[in-house]
Amino acid sequence: DVKVTQSSRYLVKRTGEKVFLECVQDMDHENMFWYRQDPGLGLRLIYFSYDVKMKEKGDIPEGYSVSREKKERFSLILESASTNQTSMYLCASSLFFDWRRVVTDTQYFGPGTRLTVL
Amino acid sequence: GDSVTQMEGPVTLSEEAFLTINCTYTATGYPSLFWYVQYPGEGLQLLLKATKADDKGSNKGFEATYRKETTSFHLEKGSVQVSDSAVYFCALNRFGGYQKVTFGTGTKLQVIP
Repeated sequence: DVKVTQSSRYLVKRTGEKVFLECVQDMDHENMFWYRQDPGLGLRLIYFSYDVKMKEKGDIPEGYSVSREKKERFSLILESASTNQTSMYLCASSLFFDWRRVVTDTQYFGPGTRLTVL
Repeated sequence: GDSVTQMEGPVTLSEEAFLTINCTYTATGYPSLFWYVQYPGEGLQLLLKATKADDKGSNKGFEATYRKETTSFHLEKGSVQVSDSAVYFCALNRFGGYQKVTFGTGTKLQVIP
């Protein structure tokens, strides 16, 4: 089974702090994603990465940055946390092509990090 | 751009009732369609998927059929259980160089005994 883990389930930070959210997947997936989940808005893509050191902006990248130094790890960084970044953050991974070179697009999600910024 | 619209919740049903959660989409090309489920306190997990028109995805008694003519992918289950209480997300996936997934806003289902 694919396992996606996130460094914290709950996190409380103060306005202006730098915040790191870590995500690790154990299945050698090429694609990794960061979403935030808010009531009534569903999941919104912040950033994604399709390879080591590669990243692409999603729909709401402002106030966030990411890092992917190793294939299995994808970090989300809040440079200066603000109260409007209080949210549930979900990491996901997917394999673009499986061993048969067939596109497979199921995403596997971590349990989420509920971040509160005071 | 791509979009997914699903019915507003919450949906409250009695155990053994019939479930339908509506989902319609707007997308160019031929996206894959998904239903993901999120149980309380957990991340999302794939419930079922369909990759082309008229495909039916099914899992755990849930079904959904990819209807290109009506751009819909409605989720159904004949007899819900209390353990089905969760939030259900409809999503579409396109490959335009990179994987791009668009989610609906989610529908909360509560099943009461």
